[in-house]
Amino acid sequence: SQQGEEDPQALSIQEGENATMNCSYKTSINNLQWYRQNSGRGLVHLILIRSNEREKHSGRLRVTLDTSKKSSSLLITASRAADTASYFCATDQQTGANNLFFGTGTRLTVIP
Amino acid sequence: EAQVTQNPRYLITVTGKKLTVTCSQNMNHEYMSWYRQDPGLGLRQIYYSMNVEVTDKGDVPEGYKVSRKEKRNFPLILESPSPNQTSLYFCASSLAGGLSYEQYFGPGTRLTVT
Repeated sequence: SQQGEEDPQALSIQEGENATMNCSYKTSINNLQWYRQNSGRGLVHLILIRSNEREKHSGRLRVTLDTSKKSSSLLITASRAADTASYFCATDQQTGANNLFFGTGTRLTVIP
Repeated sequence: EAQVTQNPRYLITVTGKKLTVTCSQNMNHEYMSWYRQDPGLGLRQIYYSMNVEVTDKGDVPEGYKVSRKEKRNFPLILESPSPNQTSLYFCASSLAGGLSYEQYFGPGTRLTVT
């Protein structure tokens, strides 16, 4: 299975600090997305990065993609208490299937 | 308002009693899918649909059925639920297949099978 893995599983930081989460996957991809989930609720899309891109920014979010290492990272700068949530990466497969695979998530806690 | 709705939000049932979880989107999206979320396992795709009358298996399809008779609706059917199907279920939709477009998620359905 392609299912990705986020690292770390849980992360606790002080407000104002930066948070970095990593995602690794197994097979070549076309696209990778990051999602956020508040406890028990639906996932919300954060950012999309394509396999030919290395870095993307959106507000306080910075995503990198290293296809040679099959990994991606999500950096949240100047974290806020409202950033407390779980973060997931999602990948497709370059082979053309429309199956989508989510990682196991990183639980981020930002302490005010 | 663009949204994906699921019903019911919470359901407690007994082993073997057939149930249907409905999913509807108002964005004219072609691609719809169902996921289950379990602690430590993340989200796993159950089934997906590229368009009306086109459905295909995801990573964990056993024990589930789906149908796509109309573009906006994509119900998930458990013909004979078992306790190992106790989980949090999410429906999602996007403009087209793959991950070229963002997925819009419903609020989730928490299912308990006793």
